[in-house]
Amino acid sequence: KQEVTQIPAALSVPEGENLVLNCSFTDSAIYNLQWFRQDPGKGLTSLLLIQSSQREQTSGRLNASLDKSSGRSTLYIAASQPGDSATYLCAVRTLSGNTPLVFGKGTRLSVIA
Amino acid sequence: EADIYQTPRYLVIGTGKKITLECSQTMGHDKMYWYQQDPGMELHLIHYSYGVNSTEKGDLSSESTVSRIRTEHFPLTLESARPSHTSQYLCASRGGQSTYEQFFGPGTRLTVL
Repeated sequence: KQEVTQIPAALSVPEGENLVLNCSFTDSAIYNLQWFRQDPGKGLTSLLLIQSSQREQTSGRLNASLDKSSGRSTLYIAASQPGDSATYLCAVRTLSGNTPLVFGKGTRLSVIA
Repeated sequence: EADIYQTPRYLVIGTGKKITLECSQTMGHDKMYWYQQDPGMELHLIHYSYGVNSTEKGDLSSESTVSRIRTEHFPLTLESARPSHTSQYLCASRGGQSTYEQFFGPGTRLTVL
C-alpha cells in the first residue's frame, strides 16, 4: 500500500530564504505526483503536477523535482515571502491512474517578516 | 470560468438533522471525490465516483452517503447529524485527460451542536 511521508512537519524561516520541502513515497510505480497548498480553513490549491516521466516542473518561484526510482520529490521555494505561509501537501497517484490520490500529512510553513 | 463550487460554505446545525452538502464542477470531469479534514489534521477520503451512477467508499469509514446522477453534481448527505460529524468537508474533481490533475473546491465547514 502506497504511503507518503512529508518532512519536516513544520518549518519556520525568515523572509527571503530559499527552502526545500521533502516528500517521500514507498511505491515507485506512480502515474504522477502533485503538490498542493492549503491556507487555514480553505480548500487545496494545485501548485505543480509532475508526470512520472518528468524530472521537474517550475512555476514562478516554485520548482518541484521528482526522483521516482528513489521515491522522492522536493518542492523548492525561492526567496520566500510571508504570503507563502501555508501548509504544503504532496500527493501521488499510482500507476493505473484511476486510483485516488494518496496524500502526505503536509508541511506547515511559516515565513517570518 | 471552469471551477468547483461547494455550498454552503459554513453550516451550523443541531443534532439529528438531515443535511446535504452540495458540490458542483463545471470542468466536465468524470472523477469526483469527498474528503473530510479536521482542523490542522490530515485529509481523509470518504467517498469517490468514477462517473454517473458510480460511487465508492473511501479509506475513512463515514456515516454519510453520496449520489452521482449528473456528471457535474456530487452531493454528500448525512441522514442524522451528530457532533462527531463536525469537520471540514472538501470536494475535488479531476479530468480524464492525460495529466489527471486534481482540483479542490473551497470546502464546507460543518458544526453540529
